[in-house]
Amino acid sequence: QVQLQESGPGLVKPSETLSLTCAVSGLSISSGYLSWIRQPPGKGLEWIGYISDSVTTVYNPSLRSRVTISVDTSRNQYSLKLSSVTAADTALYFCATGGGPSFNDWGQGTLVTVSS
Amino acid sequence: QSALTQPASVSGSPGQSITISCTGTSSDIGRYNLVSWYQQHPGKAPTLIIYEVTKRSSGVSPRFTGSKSGSTASLTISGLHTEDEADYYCCSYAGGNTPGLFGGGTKLTVL
Repeated sequence: QVQLQESGPGLVKPSETLSLTCAVSGLSISSGYLSWIRQPPGKGLEWIGYISDSVTTVYNPSLRSRVTISVDTSRNQYSLKLSSVTAADTALYFCATGGGPSFNDWGQGTLVTVSS
Repeated sequence: QSALTQPASVSGSPGQSITISCTGTSSDIGRYNLVSWYQQHPGKAPTLIIYEVTKRSSGVSPRFTGSKSGSTASLTISGLHTEDEADYYCCSYAGGNTPGLFGGGTKLTVL
């Protein structure tokens, strides 16, 4: 059974870098696709990007200049970094298996608030 | 790339059928048979219910049906149950740089 668990600071200051991790179990971390998706409070879903086979990354063009997705195979976890954050980056951040448009397994999400 | 267009809300009574539309363009829904639908209950993560336009995810009730015509995909829920009340999102492949283009979401109310 695939399980995903996001974690990271719940509060980030404007202009700083948001850093989250996604711990996985029940799947091979060195293969397949893992995406990050976010949802601002009360709003819809936005695909952020994915990493495939621990090597290839594809990012949402609207976020590409600020996003980095990577994998730490020794810790069995993925990471998301989003730089130069603003209040518009306040959202519930999910990790999910799949590269889109089908995302099969999801974590429960972690809320990140950008505020000074 | 602009988000796919969904109605903000739809409603129906138990036992009735409803359809949620998801309108895109010739660059996404109109070009690829890669449309998924998600159900999201309040405070929960989304769950995949339909993929590749018409295929139901494992364990999903046959009351949920996906279809597509031109640049518009649709999700039909027949025989509404109260537990179907949730937010529904469509998502389409829109090319290698945008494999996951979401709609704005539709709130389904079961009256």
